Amino acid sequence: GAVVSQHPSWVICKSGTSVKIECRSLDFQATTMFWYRQFPKQSLMLMATSNEGSKATYEQGVEKDKFLINHASLTLSTLTVTSAHPEDSSFYICSASSPPTSGSFYFTQYFGPGTRLTVL
Amino acid sequence: ELKVEQNPLFLSMQEGKNYTIYCNYSTTSDRLYWYRQDPGKSLESLFVLLSNGAVKQEGRLMASLDTKARLSTLHITAAVHDLSATYFCAVDIANTGNQFYFGTGTSLTVIP
Repeated sequence: GAVVSQHPSWVICKSGTSVKIECRSLDFQATTMFWYRQFPKQSLMLMATSNEGSKATYEQGVEKDKFLINHASLTLSTLTVTSAHPEDSSFYICSASSPPTSGSFYFTQYFGPGTRLTVL
Repeated sequence: ELKVEQNPLFLSMQEGKNYTIYCNYSTTSDRLYWYRQDPGKSLESLFVLLSNGAVKQEGRLMASLDTKARLSTLHITAAVHDLSATYFCAVDIANTGNQFYFGTGTSLTVIP
């Protein structure tokens, strides 16, 4: 099946610094990628939808100036957490949509392995 | 506002027993997904249910979908310790760019 990678797998940073997380679709082109955040023992919360070549669409309550998303190519989306604070510590998961295959009508989402961010 | 709710939230069961996890959602959707998540890991796709009445089985897990009732079930048969994980259902809504809405999750612990 399709593979989605994330880099880094985990990162620890000091409060006030910015952190960039990459999400790549390795063997398919993804016009749409999604970014989720998951706090311990909670479900995944959709943060934003990233479309190649256009501005990301953010969910209500997600600060777009704090969580910068860039989808510069069909295989790469980046999430930059600017001026990170301890409350931004979380597990960030991206997913990429693969176009329908022959005879199918639906997109398939493939999830990355996640990036654990810890802000001290 | 779309809601996807799972029941129960936490489940502890003995090996060999059966149990069902329920997933209710609040709007029309024909596509329902089940995922497994192990601690510290991302999501592993289990089932994709694409139509009313769909039933899929893989090993000790069986999933079904009733779109009229807006209900999906994940049935565990003769549980084994390896099934211990958190299970999420998710729906996607037509014309929303394929956005997923995840359920609250069910944390399953199978006791030997």
